[in-house]
Amino acid sequence: DTGVSQDPRHKITKRGQNVTFRCDPISEHNRLYWYRQTLGQGPEFLTYFQNEAQLEKSRLLSDRFSAERPKGSFSTLEIQRTEQGDSAMYLCASSLRGQGTNTEAFFGQGTRLTVV
Amino acid sequence: AQKITQTQPGMFVQEKEAVTLDCTYDTSDPSYGLFWYKQPSSGEMIFLIYQGSYDQQNATEGRYSLNFQKARKSANLVISASQLGDSAMYFCAMRSPPGGTSYGKLTFGQGTILTVHP
Repeated sequence: DTGVSQDPRHKITKRGQNVTFRCDPISEHNRLYWYRQTLGQGPEFLTYFQNEAQLEKSRLLSDRFSAERPKGSFSTLEIQRTEQGDSAMYLCASSLRGQGTNTEAFFGQGTRLTVV
Repeated sequence: AQKITQTQPGMFVQEKEAVTLDCTYDTSDPSYGLFWYKQPSSGEMIFLIYQGSYDQQNATEGRYSLNFQKARKSANLVISASQLGDSAMYFCAMRSPPGGTSYGKLTFGQGTILTVHP
């Protein structure tokens, strides 16, 4: 399957622990996005990469959050010193920057984080 | 700033009937893209349909069509001949305009839960 892949699918962690999520985008896609979705809400933008460059970070992304995309391939999102408010679904998406305007983003199945 | 509003928290439809899911948007940019995504209980966001702000015709993709009314800033999704598998959460989203570093970023509405009854 050549879709967007996220790992793990589910993560339960104790408050104060660090967690790291991985996203493998569609191979030819040069843009990669992270979103956070809380229960009953739409996804909210966290950060985005074009190749290996992180071009934008949302104000939602506190200092405890860091994202990387080494070599412009897979990406990791790390949350340090997790808090209960971090419990959410973390979605990764990728797209191809091209000439066309309907270059939709393809999403992975998400990582559901529960902080206890 | 861009904003998407979906005013229907939940909708019910009988199988094989058509249903319209509402979406209004707000932006000061003349160039924008509007998307609809479906999110089943598994969590994955599935792309359904796209409408560009300069497109002259309403977008259609199989049983999905988009009723785009630019002057009213609405982009309603119409699902014809509903199927049981259409039961899911549906999100309307707007893409940041080209020309800036944010191009491609999506702003989502709060979603509408659609339930299809047999």
